[in-house]
Amino acid sequence: DTAVSQTPKYLVTQMGNDKSIKCEQNLGHDTMYWYKQDSKKFLKIMFSYNNKELIINETVPNRFSPKSPDKAHLNLHINSLELGDSAVYFCASSLGPEGYTFGSGTRLTVV
Amino acid sequence: AQSVTQLGSHVSVSEGALVLLRCNYSSSVPPYLFWYVQYPNQGLQLLLKYTTGATLVKGINGFEAEFKKSETSFHLTKPSAHMSDAAEYFCAVSPTSYDKVIFGPGTSLSVIP
Repeated sequence: DTAVSQTPKYLVTQMGNDKSIKCEQNLGHDTMYWYKQDSKKFLKIMFSYNNKELIINETVPNRFSPKSPDKAHLNLHINSLELGDSAVYFCASSLGPEGYTFGSGTRLTVV
Repeated sequence: AQSVTQLGSHVSVSEGALVLLRCNYSSSVPPYLFWYVQYPNQGLQLLLKYTTGATLVKGINGFEAEFKKSETSFHLTKPSAHMSDAAEYFCAVSPTSYDKVIFGPGTSLSVIP
C-alpha cells in the first residue's frame, strides 16, 4: 500500500489553465505539506496543514490554494497557470519528529 | 532563521570508496537533523535522523551521520560506495518537531565503476 499517494504523476497544461493535484496519506499522520522542487532540485515549502488547519503559508502567489477536507487529504489547486509554475510538486506527511514521508511527486509542465 | 548548506553540489566517488557528504546548519537551538535521498524521478526517502541522544546516527543502506554541535555539522558517510548509491542527497533541519523542515540545496552523488 502506498503511504503517500499523489495524482496525477504528470501534468502538461497550457498557460492560463486551472489545475489541481491531489494527495492522500494512509499513515495516520497529523501534518501534511506541499513542497515545490525547481529545475535545480531546490526544495521549498509552500503550505502545511495540521489536522485540517493551515499552519504554514509561505510566500506563494494567491493563484495557489491548498484545501484539506480531512487530515488524510491535502489538495493543491492552481489558477491561471504560468510558465514559471513548471516544477515537481511533492506532497509529504509527518507525525512529530519522525521525519517526512514523501509522495512520488507530480511533474507539472506549463506550455 | 534556519539554514542549511551542503558543500559540493556534485560529488564523485569510485565504487568501494568512502562516501562523505557535508552538511552544515545554522540554528539558534539544538535542531532536529535529517538526511534524505532522492533517486531519479522519485520522491525523497528518509535515510536517517537525529533528534536527541546519541550523536552518531545509523540509517538505511549502510549510511551514518554524526551530529557535532560545536561544528554545527551533520556530515553523511558510508564506508564503501555502491553503484546503487548514485542519487541526490538532501540535508535538512528543523528547530523543533513541529516546525517546518528546511532543506539544503542537495548534493548529487555519482559512483564511478
